Amino acid sequence: SQQGEEDPQALSIQEGENATMNCSYKTSINNLQWYRQNSGRGLVHLILIRSNEREKHSGRLRVTLDTSKKSSSLLITASRAADTASYFCASSKAAGNKLTFGGGTRVLVKP
Amino acid sequence: NAGVTQTPKFQVLKTGQSMTLQCAQDMNHEYMSWYRQDPGMGLRLIHYSVGAGITDQGEVPNGYNVSRSTTEDFPLRLLSAAPSQTSVYFCASRDLPKNTGELFFGEGSRLTVL
Repeated sequence: SQQGEEDPQALSIQEGENATMNCSYKTSINNLQWYRQNSGRGLVHLILIRSNEREKHSGRLRVTLDTSKKSSSLLITASRAADTASYFCASSKAAGNKLTFGGGTRVLVKP
Repeated sequence: NAGVTQTPKFQVLKTGQSMTLQCAQDMNHEYMSWYRQDPGMGLRLIHYSVGAGITDQGEVPNGYNVSRSTTEDFPLRLLSAAPSQTSVYFCASRDLPKNTGELFFGEGSRLTVL
């Protein structure tokens, strides 16, 4: 069974708008990560947030973590056509442990 | 640095045939893993290894074998392919001592079993 579930499954926005996607997980975690996958390519790491952190920023990305609700969100601000991709959350129960991935959110940014 | 290299990129097999998906990394990572990706299912862990000579099962190990004779290589073997193994396979590695958890992925191997 998957540890993480993402919502929505698909998202279509106009260039310049913000994109928000959510991830819920089932058990306690050590850290949660977000990855991007362009069509036909491998996954690329975007950002990692540890269980003792609540918010993290990296460029146009903002990640939040609410351990009481077992959920995380990824916000992409001022989206660009190049942000069109699938985004996956992945969680680890312990530091250095294996990662469990969610089903992903497909994001389409229209020019 | 090439990163994580997977071969072949595409493969078509008949039911019952065997094959090996190759994975090599040049980052001296101790941890290597294999995932399969199916539509709507995300990525599911097949097998992983925390160092040469050490392997363990993931979420969906049945039908697959692995070995880790060197730090660099982590091949995935399908002994008798089944249509249910039609999928895209990803190899991924990370640096255990750093403990950041960031995985580095290969470009994937798309397998079709007829």
